[in-house]
Amino acid sequence: EVQLVESGGGLVQPGGSLRLSCAASGFSFSDHYMDWVRQAPGKGLEWVGRSRNKANSYTTEYAASVKGRFTISRDDSKNSLFLQMNSLKTEDTAVYFCTKVTAYAFEIWGQGTMVTVSS
Amino acid sequence: DIQMTQSPSSLSASVGDRVTITCRASQDIRSNLTWFQQKPGKAPKSLIYAASSLQSGVPSKFSGSGSGTDFTLTISSLQPEDFATYYCQQYRSYPLTFGGGTKVEIK
Repeated sequence: EVQLVESGGGLVQPGGSLRLSCAASGFSFSDHYMDWVRQAPGKGLEWVGRSRNKANSYTTEYAASVKGRFTISRDDSKNSLFLQMNSLKTEDTAVYFCTKVTAYAFEIWGQGTMVTVSS
Repeated sequence: DIQMTQSPSSLSASVGDRVTITCRASQDIRSNLTWFQQKPGKAPKSLIYAASSLQSGVPSKFSGSGSGTDFTLTISSLQPEDFATYYCQQYRSYPLTFGGGTKVEIK
């Protein structure tokens, strides 16, 4: 069974940092692009960024709202995706989902992890 | 950025109804469109990719059509488990962008 499990969310003060993890299982993680998507409370979905696979040199893409503050990385040996979030703002408060990308489209979603940025 | 506009933003329908949701892109995205279903407190579930291809395990009552700028999601016979919010999303170019969602409620 394909599964994505996010962890690492919590309460952090504005200006702080947090690192999210996504543990993947049930598929060949190293072959796939992986993305992060977030959803602020009561709001719609917002794409955060992408990690391409090894064949594409692990290059990344980011939404303008997080570029320069967030960094996506992965460890294929541990089937894990990461989101390092620095200089957090209150508007970064959201549930963060990791997604498995197949044929450039989101195929499988994790259950999400909540990040709250508040003083 | 490509803007994705869904309509309606909400609708009320009865069990057994045929429901159609539309999504319009601000520029040509070819067939690079997906549809998701999301229930309250749950992760989105992918329904359709490449505008009209059904994800594995998704029932055939869901169908998608369109290309270019205009797309539709149709639910052929609404069932109680289909009451949810539906989103479209383009993956033609970065940044990837979502529609604002259509909430399907029980009449």
